[in-house]
Amino acid sequence: VLTQSPGTLSLSPGERATLSCRASQTVSLYLAWYQKKPGQSPRLLIYGASTRATGIPDRFSGSGSGTDFTLTISRLEPEDFAIYYCQQYGASGSVTFGGGTTVEI
Amino acid sequence: QVQLVQSGAEVKKPGASVKISCKASGYTFTDYYVHWVRLSPGHGLEWLGWINPNRGGSVSAQKFQGWVTMTRDTSINTSYLEMSRLTPDDTAVYYCARTVRLLEWSDAFDLWGQGTQVVVSS
Repeated sequence: VLTQSPGTLSLSPGERATLSCRASQTVSLYLAWYQKKPGQSPRLLIYGASTRATGIPDRFSGSGSGTDFTLTISRLEPEDFAIYYCQQYGASGSVTFGGGTTVEI
Repeated sequence: QVQLVQSGAEVKKPGASVKISCKASGYTFTDYYVHWVRLSPGHGLEWLGWINPNRGGSVSAQKFQGWVTMTRDTSINTSYLEMSRLTPDDTAVYYCARTVRLLEWSDAFDLWGQGTQVVVSS
């Protein structure tokens, strides 16, 4: 089980966003982060806990290992307001997603 | 252009089945696993399972075993998801997605289809 916190983050453009994802058992580094906007497919931001996907701006960074992970957006841009999901893809032969964190203005 | 293109929206009655397609283009179809994921207000993002387009083997999430079938047709670079015994709780947007790395099921998803809305209602 992946637990994301907080459920909602209310921030202003230019501020720093820190999102948390906690796993009920270790997932090593098999952790990814996605951005989801209405009407769009999820977009991969980070995989392997800290590797940015192709084309992702460097204001997005991921950290952590084992059971505790963090997605940081250093300076929020207007287009960053969205829902963010974490995903584990290594434990117990399955894939699971967290419940999501909404980053709102 | 590297992309996954899914079939159109579906409206089904409870108890019916649905089959969604996902056509790959711009890359070697048999080199990457395809996963299926759904998004609904009640359940958020849920993983349904994966298929190996090369060998055709598939694994379903435990919750969906017995009523989800994943297949592929390598002649037209297309994967399929079929769900049976639909209930209103299956109303969701269904996505296919490709893994980042070649020949690895345990991976993040860097390429997604546009999504297929499935509505189950009497």
